[in-house]
Amino acid sequence: KAGVTQTPRYLIKTRGQQVTLSCSPISGHRSVSWYQQTPGQGLQFLFEYFSETQRNKGNFPGRFSGRQFSNSRSEMNVSTLELGDSALYLCASSSGLAGEGEQYFGPGTRLTVT
Amino acid sequence: EDQVTQSPEALRLQEGESSSLNCSYTVSGLRGLFWYRQDPGKGPEFLFTLYSAGEEKEKERLKATLTKKESFLHITAPKPEDSATYLCAVGLLQGAQKLVFGQGTRLTINP
Repeated sequence: KAGVTQTPRYLIKTRGQQVTLSCSPISGHRSVSWYQQTPGQGLQFLFEYFSETQRNKGNFPGRFSGRQFSNSRSEMNVSTLELGDSALYLCASSSGLAGEGEQYFGPGTRLTVT
Repeated sequence: EDQVTQSPEALRLQEGESSSLNCSYTVSGLRGLFWYRQDPGKGPEFLFTLYSAGEEKEKERLKATLTKKESFLHITAPKPEDSATYLCAVGLLQGAQKLVFGQGTRLTINP
């Protein structure tokens, strides 16, 4: 079974720009969660999509948004990029909702904002 | 406020030297506790799920246990390939954020 894939793997953007990251979950998984990982804050939950609906949301500003398509693939968008948005962005898929069972993570997208 | 604290932050052991990592939590309602392993530059890899106090799970040199306030990840006779950051996460019954991660323990096993 193919694992979770994320594209692109690396990205360099300038302050003020916007970026879209993509995640393809494991086949059959309906939940996709997004996380931001930084050395200072660790892994922080951004939001979760289940069957195309946002089910849960972490404490991040509205510049961070996402969506999920009917094939469960998900995209995350960050608008008006700030230097502090530099991080590893991870997505994880699961058969049930986040927190109910194990999640399977992708390799992440390393975003650098200059 | 829901909190998950891991200790120690970093641990250096000799090959074969057994030890334990701690994950303590203060949450309004526990749905489950999860352990993950993360290698540098990669996403976390699922290890264990524990749902109730007294539960134990084992996999090779690793054993995870759960009490009402904390979980331990015991590493028996570790090898250098066990070097990684170990993360615990708590699934919550209530609130908008359903999963909270600890900061991780960076484990190094010297040959």
